[in-house]
Amino acid sequence: DQQVKQNSPSLSVQEGRISILNCDYTNSMFDYFLWYKKYPAEGPTFLISISSIKDKNEDGRFTVFLNKSAKHLSLHIVPSQPGDSAVYFCAAASGTYKYIFGTGTRLKVLA
Amino acid sequence: DTGVSQNPRHKITKRGQNVTFRCDPISEHNRLYWYRQTLGQGPEFLTYFQNEAQLEKSRLLSDRFSAERPKGSFSTLEIQRTEQGDSAMYLCASSLARTFTEAFFGQGTRLTVV
Repeated sequence: DQQVKQNSPSLSVQEGRISILNCDYTNSMFDYFLWYKKYPAEGPTFLISISSIKDKNEDGRFTVFLNKSAKHLSLHIVPSQPGDSAVYFCAAASGTYKYIFGTGTRLKVLA
Repeated sequence: DTGVSQNPRHKITKRGQNVTFRCDPISEHNRLYWYRQTLGQGPEFLTYFQNEAQLEKSRLLSDRFSAERPKGSFSTLEIQRTEQGDSAMYLCASSLARTFTEAFFGQGTRLTVV
């Protein structure tokens, strides 16, 4: 039972353009959502989060949008840079601790 | 502060052997988590501690797995009688004990059982 789904295993974007990574969830009890970036042979690095009481959170080039009625969140990266090339995981939590991760989307930003 | 530290980074062991991994969390974080990640999957929750108390264990954590956090600081994860299916990246993370807080991950220990 995959409660958090990232249906696009990979995405390629030109440098300077917008990258949009999507995530769907099934559990309406989730109240906190996060995005992590992961480079090969390293642990996930926290990027940005959003609580269920908001629909948007912005941090520099990264913006997360939450659509609770559709049980969908997305991460926008503008402008995309080659250093953004990595695997991106969305994660969801209900309560305060256990995160459920998606399977990841590999982003490649082309110079 | 150097973040979450995990040792060793890599471990190759023969099937049936016992292995132990160590995690040193960020010093002011009282929550500590263990996750496991296999190829093509996201991290899967194994267990978590608040201070020295182990408050939840996933059903993924069979009887061969045990985790401790004796003084509420570093933690160890031991796998007894390793099996090839235990081969994975074992990730440790830590966070503050409050609502809506992010966890910070270490670089992981890559276990290969041959």
